[in-house]
Amino acid sequence: DTEVTQTPKHLVMGMTNKKSLKCEQHMGHRAMYWYKQKAKKPPELMFVYSYEKLSINESVPSRFSPECPNSSLLNLHLHALQPEDSALYLCASSLTGQNRGELFFGEGSRLTVL
Amino acid sequence: AQTVTQSQPEMSVQEAETVTLSCTYDTSENNYYLFWYKQPPSRQMILVIRQEAYKQQNATENRFSVNFQKAAKSFSLKISDSQLGDTAMYFCAFMNAGKSTFGDGTTLTVKP
Repeated sequence: DTEVTQTPKHLVMGMTNKKSLKCEQHMGHRAMYWYKQKAKKPPELMFVYSYEKLSINESVPSRFSPECPNSSLLNLHLHALQPEDSALYLCASSLTGQNRGELFFGEGSRLTVL
Repeated sequence: AQTVTQSQPEMSVQEAETVTLSCTYDTSENNYYLFWYKQPPSRQMILVIRQEAYKQQNATENRFSVNFQKAAKSFSLKISDSQLGDTAMYFCAFMNAGKSTFGDGTTLTVKP
């Protein structure tokens, strides 16, 4: 199994809603990542979990709250988002958080904030 | 901080021809990895090829090869015998200390 599975594929939410994005991998990878990608732009790193601990937070606003319940699961909790947060949210994993790990990406969750 | 520059926002190539995508980067690190990722329209991003900075030999994967010039901090991707399925956005990426830095991407169109 070489997949990173993200749900939901599409999400529309209002600015007062609370929702969550979910990511799952069963490759035994110990590093997991959240990226934000706008159209025709590169992915922007948001968070990195290494061995289930948050190791990198790229100064992301607190309305985004990551959670790593176990080594296979990664969630991104969303609350009080702004329209400019509309984007494709990509989850990725790698074998470890070290230099050499290629990233395995999910298909993404396309978020629209109204 | 690392920076990655892809100077060609868009490129096109005829099917079966060869095309080279450019990438330069800036870093003070000596130990790092470089990657090319491909993101087809509305599909997920996948790895094309990777290069370890400590290796002098250029990486190859079937029709894909790189020209890695460490001193010049250059990492170009050559696609031989281009196929319609190669149409995608290509991102050059630098990884160090668990963080990846991506270039702005090159949109490649393969024409029949």
